[in-house]
Amino acid sequence: GENVEQHPSTLSVQEGDSAVIKCTYSDSASNYFPWYKQELGKRPQLIIDIRSNVGEKKDQRIAVTLNKTAKHFSLHITETQPEDSAVYFCAARGTSYGKLTFGQGTILTVHP
Amino acid sequence: GAGVSQSPRYKVAKRGQDVALRCDPISGHVSLFWYQQALGQGPEFLTYFQNEAQLDKSGLPSDRFFAERPEGSVSTLKIQRTQQEDSAVYLCASSLGGGAGNTIYFGEGSWLTVV
Repeated sequence: GENVEQHPSTLSVQEGDSAVIKCTYSDSASNYFPWYKQELGKRPQLIIDIRSNVGEKKDQRIAVTLNKTAKHFSLHITETQPEDSAVYFCAARGTSYGKLTFGQGTILTVHP
Repeated sequence: GAGVSQSPRYKVAKRGQDVALRCDPISGHVSLFWYQQALGQGPEFLTYFQNEAQLDKSGLPSDRFFAERPEGSVSTLKIQRTQQEDSAVYLCASSLGGGAGNTIYFGEGSWLTVV
């Protein structure tokens, strides 16, 4: 089955800096890669996603890049703000019905 | 409803007790997923329904775990004879279609603590 590795497990940045989180996946058939933000005690919320026919996608301060050959994808957050502090999960989907396999999560802390 | 709704939000069970966790998906959503999230970990897949059919239960950790969705809408995850290692957040998620191109929306989760 699919295996997703996520790094780093914790990331601490100063407000205004950029943050990068990286994930690798094992199943070359995976074709959809979402990123979820989860605040303490809250549901995972989709913040951005990318499909395998695209190399990069951007939404305001958030961007995701995908390298299918190397089987890795990354989340980039620019001009970080304290409210960006949360746990971020990457995920990969390889099945026809949409089952997601998640990474272990990254605790992002943005210091004012 | 506006989103995926789960109940109870919090459940404390004595070891050996049976529990039932309910999920109300977004109206009209065909696909329904259950995930288990241990503290500090990413969600782990448990089972998948397309309408009332349980098409994948490969993630259920033991035969003490059972899920159903008899009318293709509300789903219940049942855990029999709970053990301490069952303590986790149980997340339900739904998506509009059965295909892979649909966004998956999560509920707030049911926090289970087994004492």
